[in-house]
Amino acid sequence: ETGVTQSPTHLIKTRGQQVTLRCSSQSGHNTVSWYQQALGQGPQFIFQYYREEENGRGNFPPRFSGLQFPNYSSELNVNALELDDSALYLCASSRKTGRDYGYTFGSGTRLTVV
Amino acid sequence: GDSVTQMEGPVTLSEEAFLTINCTYTATGYPSLFWYVQYPGEGLQLLLKATKADDKGSNKGFEATYRKETTSFHLEKGSVQVSDSAVYFCALSDVRDSNYQLIWGAGTKLIIKP
Repeated sequence: ETGVTQSPTHLIKTRGQQVTLRCSSQSGHNTVSWYQQALGQGPQFIFQYYREEENGRGNFPPRFSGLQFPNYSSELNVNALELDDSALYLCASSRKTGRDYGYTFGSGTRLTVV
Repeated sequence: GDSVTQMEGPVTLSEEAFLTINCTYTATGYPSLFWYVQYPGEGLQLLLKATKADDKGSNKGFEATYRKETTSFHLEKGSVQVSDSAVYFCALSDVRDSNYQLIWGAGTKLIIKP
């Protein structure tokens, strides 16, 4: 089975720009979650998508938005980039009952905002 | 709210030494507990999990037991190898707003010297 694929792997953007990150979920998984991992820290939950709808959101401003497509792939969009948005962005897929099955993570997109 | 606390790193050991990485949690419900590992430059990989009290998760020689009475999920390995050098994250998953987002510890960097 294929794992979780994220693109691009690295990205450099200028403050104020907009960025779109992409994620293909693992086969058989219908839920996608996005996490932000700052350097030296644990990941922070951004939001989760299930059946193309947002299914929970962490403490992130509205300029962080997302989409899930019928094939369960997903996008994370960040508008008006700030320097503090520099981080590793991780996508994780799971079956709906992620509590017991755990999540499969992609390798992440390293975003640098200058 | 829910939280996870891990021992601070880095933890430096010699090859074949015994490893313990402490993890304690606070949760209002009945969480599932996970250990994830992050190798340099890579995403997070599920190492092991436990879904209820007294469950023992194990994988690749690593073990952790879900201790409800002490709210702990310490990671252990009897004989570490250089290839075990990585950052280890303890996490819990509990229902919040119908999603099972992961709550993470800050991570413990493990360095194994030959």
